[in-house]
Amino acid sequence: QVNLLQSGAALVKPGASVKLSCKASGYTFTDYYIHWVKQSHGKSLEWIGYINPNSGYTNYNEKFKSKATLTVDKSTNTAYMELSRLTSEDSATYYCTRGGVYWGQGVMVTVSS
Amino acid sequence: DIQMTQSPSSMSVSLGDTVTITCRASQDVGIYVNWFQQKPGKSPRRMIYRATNLADGVPSRFSGSRSGSDYSLTISSLESEDVADYHCLQYDEYPRTFGGGTKLELK
Repeated sequence: QVNLLQSGAALVKPGASVKLSCKASGYTFTDYYIHWVKQSHGKSLEWIGYINPNSGYTNYNEKFKSKATLTVDKSTNTAYMELSRLTSEDSATYYCTRGGVYWGQGVMVTVSS
Repeated sequence: DIQMTQSPSSMSVSLGDTVTITCRASQDVGIYVNWFQQKPGKSPRRMIYRATNLADGVPSRFSGSRSGSDYSLTISSLESEDVADYHCLQYDEYPRTFGGGTKLELK
């Protein structure tokens, strides 16, 4: 069965970076794009971007182009999203998803000094 | 970017009600609209894809429809397990965009 397992919650200081992981299992990792979605507390969903695990090609929402960097490690079937220069506006839950059908459990990022 | 204007933002409902939530797209997105259900502390769950298709395992009381640029999710005979947040998504163009969400609350 398809599973996307995300890394645990993160507490990070303003100005720092954080790298979130999303480990895929139960299917051929390189066959499907991985998308990332942001959900600020109690609010709506925002699409950050996607990565093609086969080619490494990425497509970002313009809003997140200078904030998020998507990468993959094909040897471990893991997708990563690094968020840089964190501010309180980046405090949110972040999800990885395969096509909107399969979702990671989400990871809460809290930016606080 | 395509705007998905979702209404209402919240709704007070009773068990057994028929509930309709609507998203209006700012430009043509064809059939490429999904609906998601999200319960507190959980990941979204796809309920409807391509505007009108029921996702696997979703009860038949859920349905999706389209009228022009208006997309609707209808829940017939609401059950307690349906009380949740609902989100629409257009995936016709990048960037993908979600509606603002609808929160169903029991009266």
